[in-house]
Amino acid sequence: SSELTQDPAVSVALGQTVRITCQGDSLRSYYASWYQQKPGQAPVLVIYGKNNRPSGIPDRFSGSSSGNTASLTITGAQAEDEADYYCNSRDSSGNHGVFGGGTKLTVL
Amino acid sequence: QVQLQESGPGLVKPSGTLSLTCAVSGGSISSSNWWSWVRQPPGKGLEWIGEIYHSGSTNYNPSLKSRVTISVDKSKNQFSLKLSSVTAADTAVYYCARVVDVVVITFDPWGQGTLVTVSS
Repeated sequence: SSELTQDPAVSVALGQTVRITCQGDSLRSYYASWYQQKPGQAPVLVIYGKNNRPSGIPDRFSGSSSGNTASLTITGAQAEDEADYYCNSRDSSGNHGVFGGGTKLTVL
Repeated sequence: QVQLQESGPGLVKPSGTLSLTCAVSGGSISSSNWWSWVRQPPGKGLEWIGEIYHSGSTNYNPSLKSRVTISVDKSKNQFSLKLSSVTAADTAVYYCARVVDVVVITFDPWGQGTLVTVSS
């Protein structure tokens, strides 16, 4: 079982804002990173650290954290944002990596 | 820019050993980064397998630790994964990735992934 918990599925209307959350005790100590994965492709980093975007990631993607919950927000969701999103961080020991179970985002 | 490419057999027999290699290009495996393996069973989520530093230091997923060995070959700029006593449950796409932030274990970039099927 994963030490990071995500909602299995979320939907958003085209152009609207959606928040995807990730909960876990280790997030009180460590930031989460977020990855986008489209069918048949490798995951791509979209948010890391406090709220950092790698080069090439649109600024409609943002991250935040409060207590044991990290959030990925997409402001003005586009059709191409439809994908699976995974959070990850260290576990509570700090020695191992852990992923959330993933959230399937549908853009309506 | 750094690129990673996995290689190895796509089919492994049950009870056998899965062996994969990740070739690093566009950068040195001896840089100040850790390197990691992640897998994804068909239709399921991501699972962290373990990580290695160029010094040879490793960390493994506790659930796989007894069967996993990750090693590094600095002369070939690559690192490898061995998973022993495999079963059908080990069938997955296996990814290698660079760890760009070791504190929170952020992965970037990822290899394209390679599907390994465990079957007789």
